[in-house]
Amino acid sequence: SQQGEEDPQALSIQEGENATMNCSYKTSINNLQWYRQNSGRGLVHLILIRSNEREKHSGRLRVTLDTSKKSSSLLITASRAADTASYFCVPNSGGYQKVTFGIGTKLQVIP
Amino acid sequence: DAGVIQSPRHEVTEMGQEVTLRCKPISGHDYLFWYRQTMMRGLELLIYFNNNVPIDDSGMPEDRFSAKMPNASFSTLKIQPSEPRDSAVYFCASSSTLQGDTQYFGPGTRLTVL
Repeated sequence: SQQGEEDPQALSIQEGENATMNCSYKTSINNLQWYRQNSGRGLVHLILIRSNEREKHSGRLRVTLDTSKKSSSLLITASRAADTASYFCVPNSGGYQKVTFGIGTKLQVIP
Repeated sequence: DAGVIQSPRHEVTEMGQEVTLRCKPISGHDYLFWYRQTMMRGLELLIYFNNNVPIDDSGMPEDRFSAKMPNASFSTLKIQPSEPRDSAVYFCASSSTLQGDTQYFGPGTRLTVL
């Protein structure tokens, strides 16, 4: 398994603004997932994008994947205070169910 | 489904005591993971099981830690003897081969060793 590297490590925005987080990884993947962790809670799976997909939407979330650059981005539109959380990307090369989490991006949405 | 269930949610113990954390995975899931999260080290994978068999325990910090999965619906993580540096939030997660690589996390157990 490999670990994604999220950037920035911390992000602070006003409610209603869009938030963009980036992820880079090192080796080829089968899919890439994004997870969210609210303070004091377990991680929640947000979205999975496969290596043959370039963009995926889920509600206010938009994920892009550029396999040539080995990078992904997560866009949260019209952010809300409830979006305040840490966000993790998980690149998965397949073969195992073991995934490794990086340090994440800590997003703060100010009401 | 109730999701992944962990108990206790909070545990405070004294150094040297034995601590047992429990996890019930989602029914039908064939993978189970134990993680530890601290401010200093982030989220670390300790061990994972497939069909009740330990596959990779390379993340287990030392012999004081042990994990078992006697059946498909129950797993324990034991620390004996506990030390203050074991204080952390311990998460259990499960996943299913049939549903791809998505892991479903429990609410965690916050362990404080005094």
